Amino acid sequence: DAKTTQPTSMDCAEGRAANLPCNHSTISGNEYVYWYRQIHSQGPQYIIHGLKNNETNEMASLIITEDRKSSTLILPHATLRDTAVYYCTLPSNTGKLIFGQGTTLQVKP
Amino acid sequence: DARVTQTPRHKVTEMGQEVTMRCQPILGHNTVFWYRQTMMQGLELLAYFRNRAPLDDSGMPKDRFSAEMPDATLATLKIQPSEPRDSAVYFCASGLSTSGNTDEQFFGPGTRLTVL
Repeated sequence: DAKTTQPTSMDCAEGRAANLPCNHSTISGNEYVYWYRQIHSQGPQYIIHGLKNNETNEMASLIITEDRKSSTLILPHATLRDTAVYYCTLPSNTGKLIFGQGTTLQVKP
Repeated sequence: DARVTQTPRHKVTEMGQEVTMRCQPILGHNTVFWYRQTMMQGLELLAYFRNRAPLDDSGMPKDRFSAEMPDATLATLKIQPSEPRDSAVYFCASGLSTSGNTDEQFFGPGTRLTVL
């Protein structure tokens, strides 16, 4: 299974954009990049996924580099409720997810 | 609003007792996952099923853990006998797999297990 690396923690001011990076240098050509987040005491929540094109939905945007070795999750206007652990993961073709330690995002007023 | 449900939400038991955790996946989903989360190990995949058949349970201690899907609406994770090191939050997730690829997983609220 391909691995991902993320910074352990990040801070962001409320109302500003939060940019969360992820390195996945061993990604293979058909592997998608998925992002989940886990708010304290809750189950993980799906955010967004992509293959090679940038993606946007109501929660976030995902920017994937042309070589696909890294990606950035963007929360355009972070709120206090976005404080959570954010996981970048590459599912296997059977759907198996390997979660690393993720990035703890702290949104501050 | 379709959701994955898990019961019980909290369980406190004594070492050596049997523990059964239940999960109801979202109707129509054909893939079910069991995860365990601890402070030390983070989120670990224990087992998963597709169309009720076990695909991978390599993350599960075989001697005491067992996972089954008696039917499409129920998945169970059983620990017998339980040990203090099994204390963790156990999450169930479900998803829809088509052509071998699984879309996003929807997680339940988890069962917080404490083994004394």
